[in-house]
Amino acid sequence: DAGVIQSPRHEVTEMGQEVTLRCKPISGHDYLFWYRQTMMRGLELLIYFNNNVPIDDSGMPEDRFSAKMPNASFSTLKIQPSEPRDSAVYFCASSLVVASNEQFFGPGTRLTVL
Amino acid sequence: AQKVTQAQTEISVVEKEDVTLDCVYETRDTTYYLFWYKQPPSGELVFLIRRNSFDEQNEISGRYSWNFQKSTSSFNFTITASQVVDSAVYFCALSNDYKLSFGAGTTVTVRA
Repeated sequence: DAGVIQSPRHEVTEMGQEVTLRCKPISGHDYLFWYRQTMMRGLELLIYFNNNVPIDDSGMPEDRFSAKMPNASFSTLKIQPSEPRDSAVYFCASSLVVASNEQFFGPGTRLTVL
Repeated sequence: AQKVTQAQTEISVVEKEDVTLDCVYETRDTTYYLFWYKQPPSGELVFLIRRNSFDEQNEISGRYSWNFQKSTSSFNFTITASQVVDSAVYFCALSNDYKLSFGAGTTVTVRA
């Protein structure tokens, strides 16, 4: 059974460009999470969805960030316009039940904004 | 507010030594869940173990074992007879409803 799939694995872009990160959760999982990992701040939850509906986006750093989940098998995280401080590894994770079950993480997208 | 503290930033051991990773947490909730995740050099995050706040029984799973003590808010993790493949960053995490709060991680290096 396939795990969480993320694309692209690596993205290098220039400041000001739009960046779109993609995620396919594990089939049947009702919850999807987007995390960001940096050396300075560690792993941070950005936003999470339940049954395709955004529940808590309080971790989204600013209006340049947006996330959507048009259906149960696909989500995007968009940064527009991108800035060098957005450089990080972005992880997508999914789970069956939020609190008690483990979250399964994708391989991550390493974003570099020049 | 939830907080997870991993005081050890780096640990270096020789193969076959035991490694114990410390984790201290803060939460006001009575129901919560504790996790350990592993992040090898390849970068993915791998789930290792889970414990709920009502079960303080300590267990062993293969070379992994954990010591959960509510009285001291600690959830320590031990790798017995470490191997080079255990080299990774290990994260302790806390969840009450939806949010996984991670510690800063402990880098474990196992030398052959």
